[in-house]
Amino acid sequence: DAGVTQSPTHLIKTRGQQVTLRCSPKSGHDTVSWYQQALGQGPQFIFQYYEEEERQRGNFPDRFSGHQFPNYSSELNVNALLLGDSALYLCASSGDLESPYNEQFFGPGTRLTVL
Amino acid sequence: DQQVKQNSPSLSVQEGRISILNCDYTNSMFDYFLWYKKYPAEGPTFLISISSIKDKNEDGRFTVFLNKSAKHLSLHIVPSQPGDSAVYFCAASAWRNNNDMRFGAGTRLTVKP
Repeated sequence: DAGVTQSPTHLIKTRGQQVTLRCSPKSGHDTVSWYQQALGQGPQFIFQYYEEEERQRGNFPDRFSGHQFPNYSSELNVNALLLGDSALYLCASSGDLESPYNEQFFGPGTRLTVL
Repeated sequence: DQQVKQNSPSLSVQEGRISILNCDYTNSMFDYFLWYKKYPAEGPTFLISISSIKDKNEDGRFTVFLNKSAKHLSLHIVPSQPGDSAVYFCAASAWRNNNDMRFGAGTRLTVKP
């Protein structure tokens, strides 16, 4: 049973460019959340997708947008990249109704470097 | 806004001893708390959680204690093993199904053989 997968593993972009990160949730999960983890900090919630719609959003600008597909996979798009967008981007899935905790399962992340 | 704080960036303990990781929060609306463990090059892995209606939850070697009046929770690992060496994140949310979790900055635990 594959867990949460993310692609690519690493990415280098320059300021002003646009980037798309991809995530496939754990089998049986229908909800995908995206987090940004800057160096030395904990993950910060960007937004969550459920039924192909953005259900919740953290304190991130509109340059950060996303999409969820009918197969529950998701994309995170960041426009007009800034140096400060350099971080590890984590995708997490949830929605297993059998779980007593409704915990989120995280992927290994995509390391984005903006030069 | 640092609503969840882990004030110890690192902790080192001897194998077989107890590890105690601490976490403080400021938002009184938080009522569900989780601990995640993270190894290098991997995403965080769920470890244990507790809701605000409890003050203790135990799962094997891992126990989480919640002190609502002090807005403080702790994770106890007994006995500590070298494989427990990782970064531990404390997280909190306003309700169990709310995935807008707020994370602390993490504590790096090193268990020495």
